[in-house]
Amino acid sequence: EDQVTQSPEALRLQEGESSSLNCSYTVSGLRGLFWYRQDPGKGPEFLFTLYSAGEEKEKERLKATLTKKESFLHITAPKPEDSATYLCAVQTGGATNKLIFGTGTLLAVQP
Amino acid sequence: NAGVTQTPKFQVLKTGQSMTLQCAQDMNHNSMYWYRQDPGMGLRLIYYSASEGTTDKGEVPNGYNVSRLNKREFSLRLESAAPSQTSVYFCASRLQGAADTQYFGPGTRLTVL
Repeated sequence: EDQVTQSPEALRLQEGESSSLNCSYTVSGLRGLFWYRQDPGKGPEFLFTLYSAGEEKEKERLKATLTKKESFLHITAPKPEDSATYLCAVQTGGATNKLIFGTGTLLAVQP
Repeated sequence: NAGVTQTPKFQVLKTGQSMTLQCAQDMNHNSMYWYRQDPGMGLRLIYYSASEGTTDKGEVPNGYNVSRLNKREFSLRLESAAPSQTSVYFCASRLQGAADTQYFGPGTRLTVL
């Protein structure tokens, strides 16, 4: 069964304290791995897509990496405005291109 | 360019009532999706429409129906609401190309009493 697991469930950081969020997956035929950011009361906002092991993408203080079994979202010197829930999703093979989501990591960055 | 819009933002229903959630996108996307988000469960796919004129069931379709009205609009209907359908509902759309990214609307928070 296709599955996506995110850890930790919640993470509290001090401003400037770098860390990483993990997304591990077991799927039959990965077509892509997506990271989204979700603020309270809002819809998920797209951050990155990764397609193959070894791929890396960066945006401001965020860097996403992908291996054959997991992805990491590295947050360098976070600021309070980085506080949000970060969602990971995988797209499996087939014509329907369905996404399977993890339950997210709630990140709180304290000033 | 509004992206994906959803109406209403909030709704309270009594058990057995019906309602339709509306979704529209102005990005000329081919595929559209309905998800529900519950605490500790993650986003789960209810129904999707790969292209205009087609709809298919997702992971949790029971109690819901959908209509792809045209390329822009995709509605979700609850015929007889149940408390188990209390959730936040998100609509998403996707161009259907190499990027394969789904873009989400702001959500509808539904409470069924």
